[in-house]
Amino acid sequence: EAGVTQSPTHLIKTRGQQATLRCSPISGHTSVYWYQQALGLGLQFLLWYDEGEERNRGNFPPRFSGRQFPNYSSELNVNALELEDSALYLCASSRGTGATQETQYFGPGTRLLVL
Amino acid sequence: TQLLEQSPQFLSIQEGENLTVYCNSSSVFSSLQWYRQEPGEGPVLLVTVVTGGEVKKLKRLTFQFGDARKDSSLHITAAQPGDTGLYLCAGTGTYKYIFGTGTRLKVLA
Repeated sequence: EAGVTQSPTHLIKTRGQQATLRCSPISGHTSVYWYQQALGLGLQFLLWYDEGEERNRGNFPPRFSGRQFPNYSSELNVNALELEDSALYLCASSRGTGATQETQYFGPGTRLLVL
Repeated sequence: TQLLEQSPQFLSIQEGENLTVYCNSSSVFSSLQWYRQEPGEGPVLLVTVVTGGEVKKLKRLTFQFGDARKDSSLHITAAQPGDTGLYLCAGTGTYKYIFGTGTRLKVLA
């Protein structure tokens, strides 16, 4: 069974540009989560999508947005990039809402560097 | 606000030593996960514990969920350099998945 996949693996942008990151969940999983992990720090929750709807959002500005497609893959968009947006962006998937246990499985991440 | 505090934050030990990492909260979780993350990669799930008091073993790693389901511990026996990494606990509640602050372990050969 294929795991969570993310693309691209690395992304270099300049300040003010927009970045688009993509994630494909494990087959059968309907929930997708996005996290930001700055160098040497823990995981900061960004967004949670399930069945195409945004279910929860972390404490990030509106220029961080995303969507989930009918095939449950997801996109994270970061507009007006700032230097401090440089981080490893992790996507995770789980079986979806309704279960009492929602173990998340992570992809390898996208390393975003803003110059 | 639910928080998961991990201790210690950093740990550097010699190969062959034993260690315990703790994950504590004032909140009750329906389940708790432990992950290990290596630099530049995504966290890899090690175990999920669900029942209060549950103990799970994964080779040299022993995981315990507290009786009240508010805390957990990870014990590593005879640590090896391959155990080096960032250990993260995560608690699951209703529509919530809370990550701990992480313990960075370095095992020296």
